[in-house]
Amino acid sequence: GNSVTQMEGPVTLSEEAFLTINCTYTATGYPSLFWYVQYPGEGLQLLLKATKADDKGSNKGFEATYRKETTSFHLEKGSVQVSDSAVYFCALITSGTYKYIFGTGTRLKVLA
Amino acid sequence: GAGVSQSPSNKVTEKGKDVELRCDPISGHTALYWYRQSLGQGLEFLIYFQGNSAPDKSGLPSDRFSAERTGGSVSTLTIQRTQQEDSAVYLCASSEPTGNTEAFFGQGTRLTVV
Repeated sequence: GNSVTQMEGPVTLSEEAFLTINCTYTATGYPSLFWYVQYPGEGLQLLLKATKADDKGSNKGFEATYRKETTSFHLEKGSVQVSDSAVYFCALITSGTYKYIFGTGTRLKVLA
Repeated sequence: GAGVSQSPSNKVTEKGKDVELRCDPISGHTALYWYRQSLGQGLEFLIYFQGNSAPDKSGLPSDRFSAERTGGSVSTLTIQRTQQEDSAVYLCASSEPTGNTEAFFGQGTRLTVV
């Protein structure tokens, strides 16, 4: 079945450090891929998405590229801020299905 | 509405009581989902609605859990005879029916069973 694997957290970085959160997936067909962010005490918000191979999603300085050859969708940011502290979820959905599959989430803590 | 709305935002209940959690999806979204997020855990799929029908209830943990959706809009998740292990954040999401689009989440209902 379809699945998403994320790197274990927590990830602790200093402000302005480079961020990478790894995400790999297993899916039949051609999934759409998403990164969601959950700030403390809030629901999930879509951060970025990509719907086909080689697409790059970007938002708020975050980027992720849909790599079909490595079945990956790693999240990156060049310079993190304290306000980026949150839990990040990688997710997918495949065409013709309805169930969004989420990774277990990666907690990011950015220190000033 | 402008976004997915859930109520109540917080609920404390005594063990053994029944609770109802409400979700009001984005207008026009025919797909609706319930997920559960336990402390420090990922998202656990509970149930999916397409319109008023629930083609997949496979994630409901036990027969104490039920959900319905009326008018293709508001959904209610009911937990009967609550147990302490039911304590979690219950998240509702909705999406367009076309697939490959993002799901929009509500703020969640934090349920605490004491």
